[in-house]
Amino acid sequence: GAGVSQTPSNKVTEKGKYVELRCDPISGHTALYWYRQSLGQGPEFLIYFQGTGAADDSGLPNDRFFAVRPEGSVSTLKIQRTERGDSAVYLCASSWTRRDTQYFGPGTRLTVL
Amino acid sequence: GDSVTQMEGPVTLSEEAFLTINCTYTATGYPSLFWYVQYPGEGLQLLLKATKADDKGSNKGFEATYRKETTSFHLEKGSVQVSDSAVYFCALSDLESGGSYIPTFGRGTSLIVHP
Repeated sequence: GAGVSQTPSNKVTEKGKYVELRCDPISGHTALYWYRQSLGQGPEFLIYFQGTGAADDSGLPNDRFFAVRPEGSVSTLKIQRTERGDSAVYLCASSWTRRDTQYFGPGTRLTVL
Repeated sequence: GDSVTQMEGPVTLSEEAFLTINCTYTATGYPSLFWYVQYPGEGLQLLLKATKADDKGSNKGFEATYRKETTSFHLEKGSVQVSDSAVYFCALSDLESGGSYIPTFGRGTSLIVHP
């Protein structure tokens, strides 16, 4: 596809469950970012990948959150033991390099009941 | 740390009205400034940017001027259309001045344009 895609678009889960959110970046983009957007707030940075490695994970709120990008393309954000406070829209973005314009996906809305 | 403050919405206007969405920032360096737009059901898109003082970014009839003396980057459009209805985010990054490349976003301002 031409843009960044994210699946699922919506995810409803119960407190304590494990979830995975997927991001397909624009082909050829080496930089990939995850953000979290709570209701009424702007996006907040979680983690940045350059290729396969996490170059900056300073935004991950705690060790329940983890992300991978094993082949330098698709990335998965993993949340263990979900809590109600994890409910938010999770955004993914990609760019050619970290200096270039970021292109955002439509997001995954996560609801933890 | 860096921060961005933008006016609360929603901003409700009639078609062809003049638009201003205020944005001010706090940064330790000399940041680049951005406006992003999020249309319903879509991802954020970069609308315009400015990388140094007095630069004017423009796109799709929208403009914003980097004002270092007032630490502001207000978004303006002379005549809005119904299709401009969206949420607008002001953001900054310190990449050009050697700081963080990760943008800091404001809370967003919802714009609703009525026919």
